[in-house]
Amino acid sequence: AQSVTQLGSHVSVSEGALVLLRCNYSSSVPPYLFWYVQYPNQGLQLLLKYTSAATLVKGINGFEAEFKKSETSFHLTKPSAHMSDAAEYFCAVSAPCSGAGSYQLTFGKGTKLSVIP
Amino acid sequence: DAMVIQNPRYQVTQFGKPVTLSCSQTLNHNVMYWYQQKSSQAPKLLFHYYDKDFNNEADTPDNFQSRRPNTSFCFLDIRSPGLGDAAMYLCATSRAGGYIETQYFGPGTRLLVL
Repeated sequence: AQSVTQLGSHVSVSEGALVLLRCNYSSSVPPYLFWYVQYPNQGLQLLLKYTSAATLVKGINGFEAEFKKSETSFHLTKPSAHMSDAAEYFCAVSAPCSGAGSYQLTFGKGTKLSVIP
Repeated sequence: DAMVIQNPRYQVTQFGKPVTLSCSQTLNHNVMYWYQQKSSQAPKLLFHYYDKDFNNEADTPDNFQSRRPNTSFCFLDIRSPGLGDAAMYLCATSRAGGYIETQYFGPGTRLLVL
């Protein structure tokens, strides 16, 4: 079964500092990995996804993630944190579910990012 | 803008009183999903539709049902809500392209059970 583990349920950074949110995956097949962001009382919004085309994936709002097979990691980074980045971030891996043509996302437990002025 | 819409955003119900949550989409996607997200937890898939084909996750309680009358709409019915069903319910859609397809989420409905 495929799974992801997010290290750190809460991360605090100062405004302008580097953001690093950690995600490790477990998969018996080449994984397809996603990062989603969730602002309070809102749904999830896709930041970026890894589909094996390139190991360094650039997403929205200045975020990027690097797929490292040797480390089974897909950490999310942003060079300079902004107050508006404060949110919860979920790493997810896709896996097939019953029903042709459909798959499910298995999410990590999430990391809540706080940005200190 | 094409989007996923959920109504209502907040729903209060009483213990044991049936409740229906609604999801609609303008993306014309084949697949629609319902996730349950309890406080400070990851979203958990309840079931999904591939077109009209309904697929239930093995551990989804029988108390939860779903209907998809057409491509655009999908409903989540909770027949007898318990206190443990209080959660955010997220609807998502995707094309039927496989692993790499993005799931697009609605804003969610927060359910409170009194």
